[in-house]
Amino acid sequence: AQSVSQHNHHVILSEAASLELGCNYSYGGTVNLFWYVQYPGQHLQLLLKYFSGDPLVKGIKGFEAEFIKSKFSFNLRKPSVQWSDTAEYFCAVNPNTGGFKTIFGAGTRLFVKA
Amino acid sequence: DTGVSQDPRHKITKRGQNVTFRCDPISEHNRLYWYRQTLGQGPEFLTYFQNEAQLEKSRLLSDRFSAERPKGSFSTLEIQRTEQGDSAMYLCASSPAASGSAPEQYFGPGTRLTVT
Repeated sequence: AQSVSQHNHHVILSEAASLELGCNYSYGGTVNLFWYVQYPGQHLQLLLKYFSGDPLVKGIKGFEAEFIKSKFSFNLRKPSVQWSDTAEYFCAVNPNTGGFKTIFGAGTRLFVKA
Repeated sequence: DTGVSQDPRHKITKRGQNVTFRCDPISEHNRLYWYRQTLGQGPEFLTYFQNEAQLEKSRLLSDRFSAERPKGSFSTLEIQRTEQGDSAMYLCASSPAASGSAPEQYFGPGTRLTVT
């Protein structure tokens, strides 16, 4: 079955530290990839997405993610986190088969200490 | 654009009762999705509508669950004979028609269901 694995369930960082959240998926075909974020008390919202082309994609608030097809990975990075980045981050995969099912990972809770 | 809205935001019901949730998508979005999210997990896909047609349905959606989108605008999700295992956050999302790629989904605030 198709699945998305996020390696860390909880991450605690100090402000200005660098962030990398791992995401691996299990699907051998073409995929559309997403990172969504949920800030405390807010709805899920899109952080960035990859469909094709440059495997390094940039999103809002200084986040970026790199698609490595050979590793089935789509890791999220930010060089210097801020207290306001405290949130839950979800990796999501849509197998590009013409269907519309999107599979989400279990999420990573990030806490940034001021 | 007021975003995706869901009603009610919270619902407490007794086991065996039926419940119905409503989702109003962003007005120009023709795609609508329902998800279920339990504590410590990401959203799990339940079903998908394009306009009024229900095009995809997860095996998670048992016979007790039914979803409709009668006029291609708002959608309802009904759970019959609720069980304690149905306690979860039910999320609705919408997206515009694709332009050659899977569009991002815009999520509502969710309806938190507690079955006692």
